[in-house]
Amino acid sequence: DVKVTQSSRYLVKRTGEKVFLECVQDMDHENMFWYRQDPGLGLRLIYFSYDVKMKEKGDIPEGYSVSREKKERFSLILESASTNQTSMYLCASSLEGEGADTQYFGPGTRLTVL
Amino acid sequence: AQTVTQSQPEMSVQEAETVTLSCTYDTSESNYYLFWYKQPPSRQMILVIRQEAYKQQNATENRFSVNFQKAAKSFSLKISDSQLGDTAMYFCAFMKHANFNKFYFGSGTKLNVKP
Repeated sequence: DVKVTQSSRYLVKRTGEKVFLECVQDMDHENMFWYRQDPGLGLRLIYFSYDVKMKEKGDIPEGYSVSREKKERFSLILESASTNQTSMYLCASSLEGEGADTQYFGPGTRLTVL
Repeated sequence: AQTVTQSQPEMSVQEAETVTLSCTYDTSESNYYLFWYKQPPSRQMILVIRQEAYKQQNATENRFSVNFQKAAKSFSLKISDSQLGDTAMYFCAFMKHANFNKFYFGSGTKLNVKP
């Protein structure tokens, strides 16, 4: 089974702090994704990566950056956390190529910014 | 951009009954995939069922089946013999073929299965 893990289930940070959310997958997937999930808005894509050191902006990249130094690990960085970044953050991974389509999700990190 | 609409924010169903969750989408693509994901309370999101747009036959997975109407751009999920463990948020998602597997999600439907 594919396993996607996230470093924390719950996180509380203060406004202005730099925040790192880590995601690791164990199935050698090329693609990795960061979403935020808010009530009534579903999942919105922040950033994704299709290879090591490669990244693309999603629909809501403002205030976030990402890092992918190794294939299995994809980090989401909040350079200066703000209260409007309080949310559930979900990481996902998938294969690339013909016939590959399903995304596999981590358990999520519920971030509260005070 | 593709849009996915789930018009039912919350639904309830009695245990053992059947319920249908609605999803519509907007795209100009002809080759794509559609998905239903389930997110139980405080648990991981998991795939329920997927449909490839070029396949006319509706996908089924045990008690879960879809009604895929390509011309109407509709993709509803039917859950038969509802169980308490089906209580969850359900998300409909769209993926354009060969696009780094970028998904577009609906806003979700919260399903409550009552004993």
